[in-house]
Amino acid sequence: AQSVTQLDSHVSVSEGTPVLLRCNYSSSYSPSLFWYVQHPNKGLQLLLKYTSAATLVKGINGFEAEFKKSETSFHLTKPSAHMSDAAEYFCVVSATSGTYKYIFGTGTRLKVLA
Amino acid sequence: EPEVTQTPSHQVTQMGQEVILRCVPISNHLYFYWYRQILGQKVEFLVSFYNNEISEKSEIFDDQFSVERPDGSNFTLKIRSTKLEDSAMYFCASSQTGTNYGYTFGSGTRLTVV
Repeated sequence: AQSVTQLDSHVSVSEGTPVLLRCNYSSSYSPSLFWYVQHPNKGLQLLLKYTSAATLVKGINGFEAEFKKSETSFHLTKPSAHMSDAAEYFCVVSATSGTYKYIFGTGTRLKVLA
Repeated sequence: EPEVTQTPSHQVTQMGQEVILRCVPISNHLYFYWYRQILGQKVEFLVSFYNNEISEKSEIFDDQFSVERPDGSNFTLKIRSTKLEDSAMYFCASSQTGTNYGYTFGSGTRLTVV
């Protein structure tokens, strides 16, 4: 069965400094992995996705993630945080059969300090 | 860009009442999903729907819940005899192909049972 573990429930960074949100996955097969962002009282917005193409995936708003099979990781990074990045971030793995349901991580709340 | 539309955005209901949450998926999508997020917890899969029938459901999706596609555009989640623990954000999602390339979420309905 697939699962994801988000290693930090809260991350605080200063505006203009790099962001690193960590995610490890478990999957019997080559996984499809996603990062979603949820701003307060808003829906889930897709940041980026990995589906066995390039291991370095670029997403919206300057975010990117690198798929590392040897480390079973899919960490999300951004070179320079902006105040508007403050939100909850979810790492997601898709089931590899059936209806390809999503399995969500517990989320990381990113706080950006002025 | 096409959107998944959910109504209402907020709903308050008395315990024991029935509620219907509505979703309009993207028009050429064929696979439909409901997820829920209890406050402070991770997003959980409820059910997937394809070709006018449930294709997969979770343990959460018991006899209290039902889904329907009453016409060519709407996809509904009915909760009979609501309980306090049904209070959550409910997300609808749709996918064109049902594969692991990702799908589009709506902005959610916040259900509060009092």
